[in-house]
Amino acid sequence: GQNIDQPTEMTATEGAIVQINCTYQTSGFNGLFWYQQHAGEAPTFLSYNVLDGLEEKGRFSSFLSRSKGYSYLLLKELQMKDSASYLCAVRDGDYKLSFGAGTTVTVRA
Amino acid sequence: IAGITQAPTSQILAAGRRMTLRCTQDMRHNAMYWYRQDLGLGLRLIHYSNTAGTTGKGEVPDGYSVSRANTDDFPLTLASAVPSQTSVYFCASSDSGTGGSPLHFGNGTRLTVT
Repeated sequence: GQNIDQPTEMTATEGAIVQINCTYQTSGFNGLFWYQQHAGEAPTFLSYNVLDGLEEKGRFSSFLSRSKGYSYLLLKELQMKDSASYLCAVRDGDYKLSFGAGTTVTVRA
Repeated sequence: IAGITQAPTSQILAAGRRMTLRCTQDMRHNAMYWYRQDLGLGLRLIHYSNTAGTTGKGEVPDGYSVSRANTDDFPLTLASAVPSQTSVYFCASSDSGTGGSPLHFGNGTRLTVT
């Protein structure tokens, strides 16, 4: 099976920056995804990395280091609506997508 | 609006009963997936299908079966439900099962087995 680790919970203040780390060990690698999931809703796609480096999309950025088996999702200028779970997912050598348990981010006023 | 439709939204089922969760997509995606989501465990892959006519086992396939008779539909069947199958079930699809093609998720089915 796959091993994908991320912190369980994080809390930050509105307007601040939060970095969610994800480490993984998989059989082969065909890309890493980040998803956002609000309570009681379906996950929605945020970002995709397959090459090393930083991908920026507005307030959200995602970084990948394949040699270290490491990624992070950076949320800038936090807003109350960013309170959600953030899921790290890795596409393995067989192209199956495995998810970490998710990180619950709480944004405080 | 294009997307994935799951039915029912929620269901309470007696142990030992048979149940089929329905999933239909209108995006003409080749790949479809069933995941279950449990607190503290995240999303775990049950079964998947890379194209109509083919299926494969995921991480937790026992007690579940799927079929993929056409591109749009991917039903999940619990032959004889047990309480450990109480979970939220998400169906998902992607354009292809490779590369950067992201998964699009349905709204989920909340299943309680008593």
